[in-house]
Amino acid sequence: AQRVTQPEKLLSVFKGAPVELKCNYSYSGSPELFWYVQYSRQRLQLLLRHISRESIKGFTADLNKGETSFHLKKPFAQEEDSAMYYCALSGGGGFKTIFGAGTRLFVKA
Amino acid sequence: GAVVSQHPSWVICKSGTSVKIECRSLDFQATTMFWYRQFPKQSLMLMATSNEGSKATYEQGVEKDKFLINHASLTLSTLTVTSAHPEDSSFYICSASRTSTGELFFGEGSRLTVL
Repeated sequence: AQRVTQPEKLLSVFKGAPVELKCNYSYSGSPELFWYVQYSRQRLQLLLRHISRESIKGFTADLNKGETSFHLKKPFAQEEDSAMYYCALSGGGGFKTIFGAGTRLFVKA
Repeated sequence: GAVVSQHPSWVICKSGTSVKIECRSLDFQATTMFWYRQFPKQSLMLMATSNEGSKATYEQGVEKDKFLINHASLTLSTLTVTSAHPEDSSFYICSASRTSTGELFFGEGSRLTVL
């Protein structure tokens, strides 16, 4: 069965500290993994996807098929990174996307 | 990026009435749209996949007669909550998929309050 697990509901770090938001998944085929972010009072938007292997706003995420993980990392957190982060999985193309429970990141000054 | 618009953003209705929520992709054609429900401080729960020109695919536990989905054109999907009850009060979010990338573009959401 498809599943996305984000074990942390809340992650609080100090500004400048490294941050890692965990995401594990289960999927029988070859999934596409995404991180979506929702800033306060804004709609959900794509942060990054594993196939592009890019860094967005200093965030990176590497797909580890052996550990079935797609953790989101940033070496130096900024206050403006405070938001709700969702890990998501899709079977590709127009296939449905399911979301993890989300992790609220709070970056303290 | 692509734009998806939902309307209305906020609606209050009486118990027993029906409410229609529209989801439009403004600058691209979306053969597939998705409807999610989000409870306070919780994640998005996929309700159904809306396919243009065909019946929607509902997730397990979602009543298809309760939540009617119509995707009559490549830019519009509608969700109708029929005979709404207070427990249907929630935040409903639509998204449209660009099949070439798999990326989802989200609407701003519609908050439904059933009195």
